[in-house]
Amino acid sequence: DQQVKQNSPSLSVQEGRISILNCDYTNSMFDYFLWYKKYPAEGPTFLISISSIKDKNEDGRFTVFLNKSAKHLSLHIVPSQPGDSAVYFCAARSPGNQFYFGTGTSLTVIP
Amino acid sequence: DTAVSQTPKYLVTQMGNDKSIKCEQNLGHDTMYWYKQDSKKFLKIMFSYNNKELIINETVPNRFSPKSPDKAHLNLHINSLELGDSAVYFCASSQVLRRPQEAFFGQGTRLTVV
Repeated sequence: DQQVKQNSPSLSVQEGRISILNCDYTNSMFDYFLWYKKYPAEGPTFLISISSIKDKNEDGRFTVFLNKSAKHLSLHIVPSQPGDSAVYFCAARSPGNQFYFGTGTSLTVIP
Repeated sequence: DTAVSQTPKYLVTQMGNDKSIKCEQNLGHDTMYWYKQDSKKFLKIMFSYNNKELIINETVPNRFSPKSPDKAHLNLHINSLELGDSAVYFCASSQVLRRPQEAFFGQGTRLTVV
């Protein structure tokens, strides 16, 4: 009963191009959505978030888009840099303040 | 100044043993969590706890129990360890009803049961 899904386990992008990571969820009660970045042997670190009442949030090279009707969100990174190579987790917060994570997408930015 | 710290970072133990993983946060958050990352890299919530309520994921065996001596600590106790318990365990914390609303994670504890 995975409530947050990332269907692409990996993604490779050329440096300077746009990276688009996708995420789908099933629970319409989620009120907050987040993206985390994770390097090997480290804990996930927060990257960017969006409230369920918005459809876009931008922070520098990172933009998160939310389509509530489709229960879909995406993270755009532009331009992509080699240092962006990591595993990206999509997460959603329930009204009970529990965070549910997807399985992650491993992004490789090729110099 | 590590915001969320876990100890130990690595833990190797035999089947049947009882072990604990400690977690401390210095962010003043009121809610703490334990997550398990299995071999498929899925981060699955095990517990969330604040000073009022413990929420347990129903799939977590009762061999796992969180213990919170105070608001800044949430330790994970595991009894009668099994091979399938091998995973990376992450502690996290957040603050309800205050921005930022994200959870902050520790570096993880890699548990290997042999």
